[in-house]
Amino acid sequence: KAGVTQTPRYLIKTRGQQVTLSCSPISGHRSVSWYQQTPGQGLQFLFEYFSETQRNKGNFPGRFSGRQFSNSRSEMNVSTLELGDSALYLCASSLTSGRANEQFFGPGTRLTVL
Amino acid sequence: QKEVEQNSGPLSVPEGAIASLNCTYSDRVSQSFFWYRQYSGKSPELIMSIYSNGDKEDGRFTAQLNKASQYVSLLIRDSQPSDSATYLCAVPPKGKLIFGQGTTLQVKP
Repeated sequence: KAGVTQTPRYLIKTRGQQVTLSCSPISGHRSVSWYQQTPGQGLQFLFEYFSETQRNKGNFPGRFSGRQFSNSRSEMNVSTLELGDSALYLCASSLTSGRANEQFFGPGTRLTVL
Repeated sequence: QKEVEQNSGPLSVPEGAIASLNCTYSDRVSQSFFWYRQYSGKSPELIMSIYSNGDKEDGRFTAQLNKASQYVSLLIRDSQPSDSATYLCAVPPKGKLIFGQGTTLQVKP
């Protein structure tokens, strides 16, 4: 079974631009969560989508948004990029939503904001 | 108090030794706990899940959970240089995974 895929793997943008990242979960998985990883803050939860609905949201500004499609694929958008948005963005999929579900990560998208 | 705390290390052990990684958490309601391994430049990989008090063994890995003390640990027996990585503890309060800062393990040949 194929794992979680994320595209693109690398992105370079400039301040003020916007970016869209894509995630395809493991086949059969319906929940997709997004995380930001930086050396200083570690892994931080952005949001979770299940059945095209946002189920949970972390403490990030409204510039960070996401959506999920009927095939469970998800996209994350960051508008008005700031230097501090440079990070590894990780997508994780799980069978369903909820505390006990194991989450499996994709390879990540490395975003650099210049 | 942070929701999930880990000693950042580095924890250095000789090859063949037992590595012990520890994690404490603040959410008393959490029922599930996860350990991830992350190699440098790679994404986290799930290596253990534990849901009830006591020990859970999987190959060279043993996870130990003590809910009363809000403490979960990961033991790696017969440590190998390939085990050198950052180990992340994760707890899902309110349905979202909260990660510790991770413990860097170095296994020296």
